[in-house]
Amino acid sequence: GAVVSQHPSWVICKSGTSVKIECRSLDFQATTMFWYRQFPKQSLMLMATSNEGSKATYEQGVEKDKFLINHASLTLSTLTVTSAHPEDSSFYICSARGGPSTDTQYFGPGTRLTVL
Amino acid sequence: DAKTTQPNSMESNEEEPVHLPCNHSTISGTDYIHWYRQLPSQGPEYVIHGLTSNVNNRMASLAIAEDRKSSTLILHRATLRDAAVYYCILRAGNTGKLIFGQGTTLQVKP
Repeated sequence: GAVVSQHPSWVICKSGTSVKIECRSLDFQATTMFWYRQFPKQSLMLMATSNEGSKATYEQGVEKDKFLINHASLTLSTLTVTSAHPEDSSFYICSARGGPSTDTQYFGPGTRLTVL
Repeated sequence: DAKTTQPNSMESNEEEPVHLPCNHSTISGTDYIHWYRQLPSQGPEYVIHGLTSNVNNRMASLAIAEDRKSSTLILHRATLRDAAVYYCILRAGNTGKLIFGQGTTLQVKP
């Protein structure tokens, strides 16, 4: 149990377009979801925390108007990268809390975004 | 958020135990010690967590120092599939946020 999926697994887009990434908890209800991004050979950086039905809380330095997060249900959160630029190219990973163990975060497989 | 310090890399031989250290001298009383690992191009995977007492599960054991300023993740018999980046993270009480450090890259040699 406690499976988290992400869609798409990879995406290539042109500069200036917007890209939406979905994060789903498949077999549990996620009260809280988290979004991270990871540049090559670096660690994960927490971008924001979202609770179902409320606005996301962004970490310092993360532009909320550029990275739109919607947590509309207990099983789905979306991250939209608006007006993407090459520097937004990264590995985006979500995690969800609320499964069998509320102390544990379950991570998705990640989405590789490449902006040309 | 309290910080952790881990060696950048470690090597192990297959079938041998591995002890991955983590220092967290500024840990507070409500901080939980979490360990995750990440294989290349994958999301992190939960390994184990604890507060004060040593913990065991099917994947690993977690040994926590009495003063809680350090901990050790123990893989009892390393396999090639255990080669990954291992992150030691302090989670502050009930906030649920995990702040990742640089982790330890574990190489397992056949």
